[in-house]
Amino acid sequence: AQSVTQLGSHVSVSEGALVLLRCNYSSSVPPYLFWYVQYPNQGLQLLLKYTSAATLVKGINGFEAEFKKSETSFHLTKPSAHMSDAAEYFCAVTGKNNNNDMRFGAGTRLTVKP
Amino acid sequence: NAGVTQTPKFRILKIGQSMTLQCTQDMNHNYMYWYRQDPGMGLKLIYYSVGAGITDKGEVPNGYNVSRSTTEDFPLRLELAAPSQTSVYFCASRTGFAEQYFGPGTRLTVT
Repeated sequence: AQSVTQLGSHVSVSEGALVLLRCNYSSSVPPYLFWYVQYPNQGLQLLLKYTSAATLVKGINGFEAEFKKSETSFHLTKPSAHMSDAAEYFCAVTGKNNNNDMRFGAGTRLTVKP
Repeated sequence: NAGVTQTPKFRILKIGQSMTLQCTQDMNHNYMYWYRQDPGMGLKLIYYSVGAGITDKGEVPNGYNVSRSTTEDFPLRLELAAPSQTSVYFCASRTGFAEQYFGPGTRLTVT
């Protein structure tokens, strides 16, 4: 079975600073990897996904993530944080041959300070 | 398209009561899912369906039931509600591509 671990339940950055949210995965089969964002009292919205094409994936709102097989990582970055980026972020994984079993990390709450 | 819709938005149940959480999608997706989200725990899969008439258990199915009589609807039934079922419930759907589309959630409290 696959799983993801998000390092850091809370991350705080200043507006304009680099955002780095960490995700490591464990999978016995080639994975699909995702980052979702959740704003307060809303559902999850897809930021970006990795499905074995390019290892550097660009998403919405200026976010991107790089799939590194050697490090089993899929960290999310944004060069310059905006106040509107404050939300909870979830990393998720499925196996290519069993993508009904999506496993989520515990989430990282991003705070952006003015 | 409305996407994935869920009703109700909020509900308070007494221990032992039953209720059905409704989920409808208008994207003609075959695959549908129910998750629960507990604080600090991420989302856990309760049940899923790969098409009308086909359902299967996820990671945490105990205390829940589902049915899928149409492509659009995937209701989640709670029988004999317990405090441990206090959570936020999300429905999601997808096509053959990998990503899932989520509804806005139902916040359930069992007291």
